[in-house]
Amino acid sequence: GAGVSQSPSNKVTEKGKDVELRCDPISGHTALYWYRQSLGQGLEFLIYFQGNSAPDKSGLPSDRFSAERTGGSVSTLTIQRTQQEDSAVYLCASSSNGPSTDTQYFGPGTRLTVL
Amino acid sequence: GQNIDQPTEMTATEGAIVQINCTYQTSGFNGLFWYQQHAGEAPTFLSYNVLDGLEEKGRFSSFLSRSKGYSYLLLKELQMKDSASYLCAVPDMDSNYQLIWGAGTKLIIKP
Repeated sequence: GAGVSQSPSNKVTEKGKDVELRCDPISGHTALYWYRQSLGQGLEFLIYFQGNSAPDKSGLPSDRFSAERTGGSVSTLTIQRTQQEDSAVYLCASSSNGPSTDTQYFGPGTRLTVL
Repeated sequence: GQNIDQPTEMTATEGAIVQINCTYQTSGFNGLFWYQQHAGEAPTFLSYNVLDGLEEKGRFSSFLSRSKGYSYLLLKELQMKDSASYLCAVPDMDSNYQLIWGAGTKLIIKP
C-alpha cells in the first residue's frame, strides 16, 4: 500500500520568504508527527497530531512555525519569514493509533535550503 | 533527565559482523526501537524490543538489557547496502506519544 508521502522533496528559498511543506500520511493512521533533522543530527520533534484533537505544538522552535491537519489526514507545516537556521530536512511520520509504542512510518522528507 | 547515547560513527568490513550499541537513561521504560536511515532517505523501522534478550530477524538481531539500560543492534554478513545511520529511540516517559531519539550511528562498510 501507499506509504507516507511528502512534497516538495526539495525546496530552496530566500531568507524572509514563507514556505509550506505537505505531508500525506498512511491512510487510516490517526497519529501524525513532524520532525526536523539537521545534517548529522538526530530527530527533533516539532509537532504531533492525533485525529481531530488539538495538536501538541511544544516542539515548534518559534512562532514562525505553524502546522495544521485538515480532516484528520493531510498536514501542512508552514514556516514564515524563513531564516538560514531553518535549513534542514523536515520529516513527517504517521502511526496507526499514536502511543509512543506504535511504529512510526516516515515519509521521504523535504530538504529545505534557505539562502 | 532522559537521554540516549550512541557512537557517532563505526566502520566495518563487508562480510563481517558489527555491533552498534545504545545506552539510555529514562525515568521508566516502555520498549526500544531501532531504525535504519540511508543517506538522504527516511528512517525505516528495524525492531522494537520490550523484553530482555536477543531477537533475531535474518541478518539483523537486536538485544535488550533493561537492568543495564542497554541495547545493541547486531548486523551479520555485512553488505555494502548496510551502509547507513542506525537510530535508537525510546518512548519519552513524560509523554504518551513522543520518542526520545539518539543522534544515530553512521555505519560505513568497506570492501
